Amino acid sequence: GESVGLHLPTLSVQEGDNSIINCAYSNSASDYFIWYKQESGKGPQFIIDIRSNMDKRQGQRVTVLLNKTVKHLSLQIAATQPGDSAVYFCAENINTGGFKTIFGAGTRLFVKA
Amino acid sequence: NAGVTQTPKFQVLKTGQSMTLQCAQDMNHEYMSWYRQDPGMGLRLIHYSVGAGITDQGEVPNGYNVSRSTTEDFPLRLLSAAPSQTSVYFCASSRTGESTEAFFGQGTRLTVV
Repeated sequence: GESVGLHLPTLSVQEGDNSIINCAYSNSASDYFIWYKQESGKGPQFIIDIRSNMDKRQGQRVTVLLNKTVKHLSLQIAATQPGDSAVYFCAENINTGGFKTIFGAGTRLFVKA
Repeated sequence: NAGVTQTPKFQVLKTGQSMTLQCAQDMNHEYMSWYRQDPGMGLRLIHYSVGAGITDQGEVPNGYNVSRSTTEDFPLRLLSAAPSQTSVYFCASSRTGESTEAFFGQGTRLTVV
């Protein structure tokens, strides 16, 4: 079935260090993989996406890596800042005749000053 | 820039009551969707719409109805509220179904007693 999950429910990093958030997926038919950030009391906010035919994409301070062989997705945040503290979700955009975005369970990132 | 607006922000219902959660977007987006988020969980797709007059079911559609009479509005109706529907509800919109960048509202926190 369609499912997106995460290896680690919480991650604590020191300010200035790099963060790596991991995600496993099971649906091989996904067109895109997406990372969202959700701050407390707010709706999710788009961070970055990667098309299924790519293995790496970089944005501002973030890099997403896709390993289709082991169905693994990761989000790397460089020089993590206190403002990066949030819950991070990976999601899949799947075309099943109509596009659906399916979310994983989320990882909470704590940034220690 | 209003973006995606959800009303109300908070609601308490008694079991068996019905109500409509409102969602409006001013970005002329074709695609709109509703998610529910339970504590410590990811977002689960309830219903989605690829355009005015077209709706489809997501992962957890039972107990909810939607309609899309205009591009701007996508209301979610709870027909007979149950305690299991206690959750935070998020509405999202994106330019098209294939677009990976979805814009989320601030959420409606619903409690069914």
